[in-house]
Amino acid sequence: GESVGLHLPTLSVQEGDNSIINCAYSNSASDYFIWYKQESGKGPQFIIDIRSNMDKRQGQRVTVLLNKTVKHLSLQIAATQPGDSAVYFCAESPMGQGGKLIFGQGTELSVKP
Amino acid sequence: NAGVTQTPKFRILKIGQSMTLQCTQDMNHNYMYWYRQDPGMGLKLIYYSVGAGITDKGEVPNGYNVSRSTTEDFPLRLELAAPSQTSVYFCASSYMVNNEQFFGPGTRLTVL
Repeated sequence: GESVGLHLPTLSVQEGDNSIINCAYSNSASDYFIWYKQESGKGPQFIIDIRSNMDKRQGQRVTVLLNKTVKHLSLQIAATQPGDSAVYFCAESPMGQGGKLIFGQGTELSVKP
Repeated sequence: NAGVTQTPKFRILKIGQSMTLQCTQDMNHNYMYWYRQDPGMGLKLIYYSVGAGITDKGEVPNGYNVSRSTTEDFPLRLELAAPSQTSVYFCASSYMVNNEQFFGPGTRLTVL
């Protein structure tokens, strides 16, 4: 069935280093991908999105890379800060299905000062 | 704008009881969604709506019902609560398909 999975369930980085969170997706019909950050006790918060006609998109300190050939998505966070500590979810949206999102399990990012 | 609001924040139910989780958005979004999140897991879609009067099932609809009589409101109904429905429930909305979904703060439900 459809699934979105993450390679690493936990990631620990030093403050100031760059972080890379990976995600694999299985539905080749997905045309929209999105990363969310979720802090404890809160709802998911939008970080960045990318459409299938792109392979890279940059935001403020974040970059998303999309490799459709191997169905892989990654989130890069530059100069990671303690405030970046949270669980990060990737999600995919299959084409023509009302914009519904299929979420991965999540990666917990821990930033050491 | 308040964004997406959900009530209640917390609720404990006994097996077999029913309740309605409320969700309201003030952004005039057409698309609204209900997800549940079990501990240590990602979100799973329960139901969604592409506009007033239109709803459709998501990945895990069993045991739930929804209605969408207005653009702003998208309540989720549990008719016969079961322990398997213990979870955190998130409502979300978006302006159009394949756009950022804005999430509410969640409702933590425990069924004993």
